[in-house]
Amino acid sequence: DIQMTQSPSSLSASVGDRVTITCRASQSISSYLNWYQQKPGKAPKLLIYAASSLQSGVPSRFSGSGSGTDFTLTISSLQPEDFATYYCQQSYSTPRITFGQGTRLEIK
Amino acid sequence: QVQLQESGPGLVKPSETLSLTCTVSGYSISSGYYWGWIRQPPGKGLEWIGSIYHSGSTYYNPSLKSRVTISVDTSKNQFSLKLSSVTAADTAVYYCAREPDTCSGGSCYNWFDPWGQGTLVTVSS
Repeated sequence: DIQMTQSPSSLSASVGDRVTITCRASQSISSYLNWYQQKPGKAPKLLIYAASSLQSGVPSRFSGSGSGTDFTLTISSLQPEDFATYYCQQSYSTPRITFGQGTRLEIK
Repeated sequence: QVQLQESGPGLVKPSETLSLTCTVSGYSISSGYYWGWIRQPPGKGLEWIGSIYHSGSTYYNPSLKSRVTISVDTSKNQFSLKLSSVTAADTAVYYCAREPDTCSGGSCYNWFDPWGQGTLVTVSS
């Protein structure tokens, strides 16, 4: 299976900060990479698909980049509602879809 | 607006079969896309279980394949999950989700959106 490793596992930041979360695949997955946001007690919400395409309705402060094995999710200016856990997910090796372990973004 | 809602027992005994149904509104399953199940043990990360197309074609996580059956009922606009021989390790919030895709340059990308609200299933005697 393709392993997805996110870094950091947790992160403290302040409102207005620029934040970057990294996701690394154990082998090349081209651009088959999605990002989700999950708040406590809620279902995950799609932010980015195909590595860099912003899902409709998602604020433009979220962006994704990367290809191959290394990917990043960037939040250009943190807002209070952005404090949550973020997951990457690869869909390259269907039927072996896998998620990263998550990055918890906390308020400093 | 597409909405999904999971339903089923919240408590299942060890060695028995977990059964959940996902009811879709605002979109006809027969119109296309795959439809998937994902689970999340308390305090842990996400694990994809399997997905089904409206025609009934399925694909499953190899680590769960021997115990999983996903089926679809287009007349009710529902799809269902059965997980047999459950243990405490199967205790989790179970989510259903639509699996849209887009194809470009010979590559087809898919993702999960939207998701149901999730339902907690506890395996305990």
